Amino acid sequence: AQSVSQHNHHVILSEAASLELGCNYSYGGTVNLFWYVQYPGQHLQLLLKYFSGDPLVKGIKGFEAEFIKSKFSFNLRKPSVQWSDTAEYFCAVTNTGRRALTFGSGTRLQVQP
Amino acid sequence: EAGVTQFPSHSVIEKGQTVTLRCDPISGHDNLYWYRRVMGKEIKFLLHFVKESKQDESGMPNNRFLAERTGGTYSTLKVQPAELEDSGVYFCASSQDGYYGYTFGSGTRLTVV
Repeated sequence: AQSVSQHNHHVILSEAASLELGCNYSYGGTVNLFWYVQYPGQHLQLLLKYFSGDPLVKGIKGFEAEFIKSKFSFNLRKPSVQWSDTAEYFCAVTNTGRRALTFGSGTRLQVQP
Repeated sequence: EAGVTQFPSHSVIEKGQTVTLRCDPISGHDNLYWYRRVMGKEIKFLLHFVKESKQDESGMPNNRFLAERTGGTYSTLKVQPAELEDSGVYFCASSQDGYYGYTFGSGTRLTVV
């Protein structure tokens, strides 16, 4: 069975600080990787996704993530966060045998002005 | 394009009562998923429909939960009888290809008292 680990449960940053949220998955086969964001009072939205090709994926709002197969990781990064990035971030994975997303426990990001 | 619609947005019921949650996927999306997030925990998969058929119901917690998808359109998730541990946010997602892209609804927050 696949699983996803997000090591940071709550992160507090000041505006303009750089962000990196960790995500590790466990599955030996081919995976598809996702980062979702949930802003306060809103639904889950897709930030970015990786299926194949260039392991550095760029998403919306200046976010990017790097797939490192050897480390089973898919960390999310943003060079300079804004107050509007305050939200909860979820890493998720699917594989060729299972279409349903498996989520990590989420990371709550709080950006202070 | 209309998004995934869930209702009610909130429901408070007493232990032992019945509640039915509804999800209207994006028109034309054959794949429909139900997920649940119990407070403080990760978002967990419940089941997956392809059109009106249950493709994967391995995440359904017990037989108090019954999901249907009439005619391959909207879906309902019934909890009968509800228990305290059923409290949480129930998310629905739909996908055209079942694999690469998922659109989430805003969720139904269920509180069992």
